[in-house]
Amino acid sequence: DAGVTQSPTHLIKTRGQHVTLRCSPISGHKSVSWYQQVLGQGPQFIFQYYEKEERGRGNFPDRFSARQFPNYSSELNVNALLLGDSALYLCASSLGGGGFDEQYFGPGTRLTVT
Amino acid sequence: AQTVTQSQPEMSVQEAETVTLSCTYDTSESDYYLFWYKQPPSRQMILVIRQEAYKQQNATENRFSVNFQKAAKSFSLKISDSQLGDAAMYFCAYRSARGNEKLTFGTGTRLTIIP
Repeated sequence: DAGVTQSPTHLIKTRGQHVTLRCSPISGHKSVSWYQQVLGQGPQFIFQYYEKEERGRGNFPDRFSARQFPNYSSELNVNALLLGDSALYLCASSLGGGGFDEQYFGPGTRLTVT
Repeated sequence: AQTVTQSQPEMSVQEAETVTLSCTYDTSESDYYLFWYKQPPSRQMILVIRQEAYKQQNATENRFSVNFQKAAKSFSLKISDSQLGDAAMYFCAYRSARGNEKLTFGTGTRLTIIP
C-alpha cells in the first residue's frame, strides 16, 4: 500500500507570495494533520482535519489555513509568506475513528521563502 | 499546556553498544500517550515505540525499550545493540488521550553511531 504522499517535494517562494501544499493520506485514513518543522526544532502542530471538519488548530496566525476534500486529501495554504515560514511541512494521516490511532507521516515539503 | 523537553541535543554510541535518550514532559492530565519517533536524513518521521500512560509496564519493541516513570514525568528510550541504521534524529512526543490528535514534540536528540 502507498504511504502518505506530499507534493511538491521542494518549493521556493518569495516573501508576500501565497503557497499551497498538498497531502494524500493512506487509503482508508480519514484524518489528516499538518505540522511545521523549522530547522533544528521538533515539529509544531498546525491543524487536524477529520471527515472534512477542523478538529484542532495550533498556535499559528490566520495566514495559515487548510481544508480536507471528500477523498480525504488535504491542502495547507499559507498567505503573505514571511521568511520565518521557511520550514519542512509534514502531513500525517490516521484512521481517525476515535481512541488511539497511529499517525503515519509523509516525507514532507521543504518550503524556502526568500 | 503540555511541554516536552529533551536535554541531550546530541548523543553518540559505539556500534553494538547500548544508549539511552532522555525525555521529560509536563502535563496536568492523567491519561495520555508518549512516543519516540525517528527522523533519518530522508526526513520521514517513523514511529519507534509508544507508551500508554495507564499501563505500568514499559513498552518494548525488539531492540528498543522505554523507561516510563509517570510520577517523575520521565520517558527515556534505550536502544540495545546499536546499529548503523539507528543513526537519526530522535523525537519524544506527547499526545493527550482526549480531544484531537495533536502531537507535542521535543527538540530532538541527534544520535550518531560510531563504527
